[in-house]
Amino acid sequence: DQQVKQNSPSLSVQEGRISILNCDYTNSMFDYFLWYKKYPAEGPTFLISISSIKDKNEDGRFTVFLNKSAKHLSLHIVPSQPGDSAVYFCAAVWGSQGNLIFGKGTKLSVKP
Amino acid sequence: DARVTQTPRHKVTEMGQEVTMRCQPILGHNTVFWYRQTMMQGLELLAYFRNRAPLDDSGMPKDRFSAEMPDATLATLKIQPSEPRDSAVYFCASGRRNTGELFFGEGSRLTVL
Repeated sequence: DQQVKQNSPSLSVQEGRISILNCDYTNSMFDYFLWYKKYPAEGPTFLISISSIKDKNEDGRFTVFLNKSAKHLSLHIVPSQPGDSAVYFCAAVWGSQGNLIFGKGTKLSVKP
Repeated sequence: DARVTQTPRHKVTEMGQEVTMRCQPILGHNTVFWYRQTMMQGLELLAYFRNRAPLDDSGMPKDRFSAEMPDATLATLKIQPSEPRDSAVYFCASGRRNTGELFFGEGSRLTVL
């Protein structure tokens, strides 16, 4: 039973437009939510996070929104660039031990 | 430039053989995670250590997998005996806070024939 779900395996966006990646979760005890970015043949790299007590966090072109009532978060990339093409993983932290659980990822393709 | 180092980067072995993957976490990080990436399951958590103590290895097949941290500079993941279904990329990651911000190694790609 997946606690962190990314229902879209892939997303294609035109350069300069907005990319919206979605993530749903089932455990209301999650403390932090994070997005990681992964290029082929590399390990994932941390992109942006949000605490469960906030509803928005922004870092440059990247903004993460959290809707706790819907158990939903999203990552907005504006404007999208070809270099953003990668697999994006949604992740959540829970428990005093800081267990980190990932979704299955969404492959973003930004076309020039 | 601090980074997590994993060896080997690639490993091809035959079914039944023992496989050991090694990870050197970033100095000063007190948490170490092992993940496995497959097409079907995405990033699966296998094991998690804090201050070298195992906290969670519930995602790991206990009969064939084992994870240890002999010291603060080395984490190992061992598969014995290996099976074709173990073929995947295995990632090690380290961090020092409970916020989920981890640094990942480049992964060890395992192929079991």
